Amino acid sequence: QVQLQGSGPGLVKPSETLSLTCIVSGDSISTYYWSWIRQPPGKGLEWIGNIYYSGYTNYNPSVKSRVTISVDTSKNQFSLKLNSVTAADTAVYYCARDRGPGSGYFDLWGRGTLVTVS
Amino acid sequence: DVQMTQSPSTLTASVGDRVTITCRASQSIGSWLAWYQQKPGRAPKLLISKPSSLETGVPSRFSGSGSGTEFTLTISSLQPDDFATYYCQQYNDYPYTFGQGTKLEIK
Repeated sequence: QVQLQGSGPGLVKPSETLSLTCIVSGDSISTYYWSWIRQPPGKGLEWIGNIYYSGYTNYNPSVKSRVTISVDTSKNQFSLKLNSVTAADTAVYYCARDRGPGSGYFDLWGRGTLVTVS
Repeated sequence: DVQMTQSPSTLTASVGDRVTITCRASQSIGSWLAWYQQKPGRAPKLLISKPSSLETGVPSRFSGSGSGTEFTLTISSLQPDDFATYYCQQYNDYPYTFGQGTKLEIK
């Protein structure tokens, strides 16, 4: 059974860097694209960006200047770094399996990590 | 960016009712649309993609239709487990974007 397990600090100071990691178990990370999606408390969903195992990335222009998504195929995991955070970046951050170009829906999600910027 | 607009934002209905949620795209997205269900404190769950292909394990009372700029999610007979928030998402173009959500409440 394929599972995604996100992890990282739940509290980040303003202007610092938010760092999260998602470990993929039960499947090879080399098969699909992998996305980060966030949801501010009580609000809707925002796609942050995705990555392919080759390292090819796509980012949302809303955060493109501050975000880096990377992949470590040896550990079957991918990561998110968001720098210069503000209170507006407070959200639950989800990692998700992205079926990739032409099928960019998310059929598997991690539980989510609440990150508070304060 | 493609803007996705759902209506209504809140829908109050009873068990057994047939309900429809509409999702409109600011430009044509072909058939590249998915629907998700989210319950409080949980990650979203994929219900439908493409936009009428039911995900494995999703009850057949859920159905999706549409193309271009207008799409619908229909639940044919509401069950107690269906009260949740529903989101549409387009994947025709980057950045992927979601509708603002429709909260389905019990009458």
